Amino acid sequence: KNQVEQSPQSLIILEGKNCTLQCNYTVSPFSNLRWYKQDTGRGPVSLTIMTFSENTKSNGRYTATLDADTKQSSLHITASQLSDSASYICVVTLSSGGSYIPTFGRGTSLIVHP
Amino acid sequence: SAVISQKPSRDICQRGTSLTIQCQVDSQVTMMFWYRQQPGQSLTLIATANQGSEATYESGFVIDKFPISRPNLTFSTLTVSNMSPEDSSIYLCSVVGGEGAHKDTQYFGPGTRLTVL
Repeated sequence: KNQVEQSPQSLIILEGKNCTLQCNYTVSPFSNLRWYKQDTGRGPVSLTIMTFSENTKSNGRYTATLDADTKQSSLHITASQLSDSASYICVVTLSSGGSYIPTFGRGTSLIVHP
Repeated sequence: SAVISQKPSRDICQRGTSLTIQCQVDSQVTMMFWYRQQPGQSLTLIATANQGSEATYESGFVIDKFPISRPNLTFSTLTVSNMSPEDSSIYLCSVVGGEGAHKDTQYFGPGTRLTVL
């Protein structure tokens, strides 16, 4: 069964600190891996998207890495801000025969304290 | 990028009633989906909304409970029928689209927060 596991489940950090969120997956073969940020009560918003051949992708203070051999991805947040408080969701997409099949992780809940 | 709007943004409903959620996209998209996100859980796909034909439902979801319409490539509705408290959740409309570097990006609407009493 294709799965996406995220860790930690929740994380509390102080404003200005860095943090790294982890994503392990068993989806194979996959089309792309995406990280989303979901603010409370809102829909997820795409942060980064990486294909099989990409190792890293940055979007401002967010940097995602991908190791397709170990099937691991991480999202690094630099110099955290209060507005970074949100749920971060890892999504791995299997693309097969024209079908689009995303598998969602449960997300990591990040709280940034002043 | 695709801009998605949903109505209503939230609602509180009585057990046994039905609620229809609308999803409007600012561009024509082929793939449109409806998801449910229960508190503390990941997103669960309810169905793929197909334009001009019946929706394709995932295991555990049936048309009688979640009828879906998709009259064109920019609009869809999801109805939650005969609601019970277990249906309390966030319902999200989603599309796959984009061009160039954003090709195959999955976009989500703001969600509809449903509470069933």
